Amino acid sequence: KNQVEQSPQSLIILEGKNCTLQCNYTVSPFSNLRWYKQDTGRGPVSLTIMTFSENTKSNGRYTATLDADTKQSSLHITASQLSDSASYICVVRKNYGQNFVFGPGTRLSVLP
Amino acid sequence: NAGVTQTPKFQVLKTGQSMTLQCAQDMNHEYMSWYRQDPGMGLRLIHYSVGAGITDQGEVPNGYNVSRSTTEDFPLRLLSAAPSQTSVYFCASSYDGRLNTEAFFGQGTRLTVV
Repeated sequence: KNQVEQSPQSLIILEGKNCTLQCNYTVSPFSNLRWYKQDTGRGPVSLTIMTFSENTKSNGRYTATLDADTKQSSLHITASQLSDSASYICVVRKNYGQNFVFGPGTRLSVLP
Repeated sequence: NAGVTQTPKFQVLKTGQSMTLQCAQDMNHEYMSWYRQDPGMGLRLIHYSVGAGITDQGEVPNGYNVSRSTTEDFPLRLLSAAPSQTSVYFCASSYDGRLNTEAFFGQGTRLTVV
């Protein structure tokens, strides 16, 4: 079954600390993996898109990694800020059609 | 540049009522989609369109209709609302169907059916 799992379900960290969010997927055939940030009451906003051949991709303080062999991805947030408080959603796209498989998200809270 | 605009932002319906959720984009995107987001679950695709006049079903299409008469607009119709349709609905658009094309989401419509 095509699934995307994320861990932890929720995470609380102090401002300035780093954190890493995990994504495991069983989606096949794989095209690309995306990380989205969703603020409360808003729509998801793209952070990164990685294809099969990309291992690491950065967007400011956000760094995503992809291991296509183990079907795992991570999102590392460096020097967290209060504005990083949001849900982070991992999404895998199949290599045909409008086939996106969304993970349930990790809810991150950054406290002062 | 407004991006993807959804209206209304909030709506309460009684069981059996019908309504239309509006979605408009001003980016000249060909692809548009509707998703629903339920607690503890990932977004699920309801319907999508690859261009004006073309629509297709997604993963959870029952109870919903769509049409795409223009490139800009992609309304979602609830024919007879049911409590199971209580959810947050997101409209998304992308320039085309290429696999790495970026998708842009609206701010969502929170629908409650009582």
